[in-house]
Amino acid sequence: AQSVTQLGSHVSVSEGALVLLRCNYSSSVPPYLFWYVQYPNQGLQLLLKYTSAATLVKGINGFEAEFKKSETSFHLTKPSAHMSDAAEYFCAVSPPLPGGYQKVTFGTGTKLQVIP
Amino acid sequence: KAGVTQTPRYLIKTRGQQVTLSCSPISGHRSVSWYQQTPGQGLQFLFEYFSETQRNKGNFPGRFSGRQFSNSRSEMNVSTLELGDSALYLCASSSNRENHYGYTFGSGTRLTVV
Repeated sequence: AQSVTQLGSHVSVSEGALVLLRCNYSSSVPPYLFWYVQYPNQGLQLLLKYTSAATLVKGINGFEAEFKKSETSFHLTKPSAHMSDAAEYFCAVSPPLPGGYQKVTFGTGTKLQVIP
Repeated sequence: KAGVTQTPRYLIKTRGQQVTLSCSPISGHRSVSWYQQTPGQGLQFLFEYFSETQRNKGNFPGRFSGRQFSNSRSEMNVSTLELGDSALYLCASSSNRENHYGYTFGSGTRLTVV
């Protein structure tokens, strides 16, 4: 069975500071990994995805994430936080079962607060 | 390209009533998944449909049901509503059979049960 753990339900950073949101996964095989962002009263929006190509994945809005198999991690980073980055972020995992299907599992989310 | 459309956006129902929520996926997407989101439980998987077949179901009581039509539009139904069913219900569609490309979510239906 697959699972994801997001460390820290709330993270606060100053505007212009580094953003680091942590995600660790558990999967029997190297999975597909995703980061989503959710603004208040909205659905989730895909930020980036890892699908076994490059381990450093660049996404929208200046975010990127690095897949580290040895650490089973997929942390999300952004060099400089902007006020508009304040939102809730979800890490998600899906195992690459060829020809099959298994539901995507989401983490519990991390709310990012950006302090002016 | 139109996104995932969920209707209605907001809904207030009374305990014991039933409700039907609708989701129109992105054109060409045949996979539709439903999630319930609450502050306490986070995102909980309800079910997923692909080409009108339910492929997977989450751990919800039988009061929660869904279906998918030949045009990939999907509906979910909740019967005998309880206060605890108050939540944001999110629909997500995918272009890939295994959902490996990621989901596109709708804006959700905010259901309040009073």
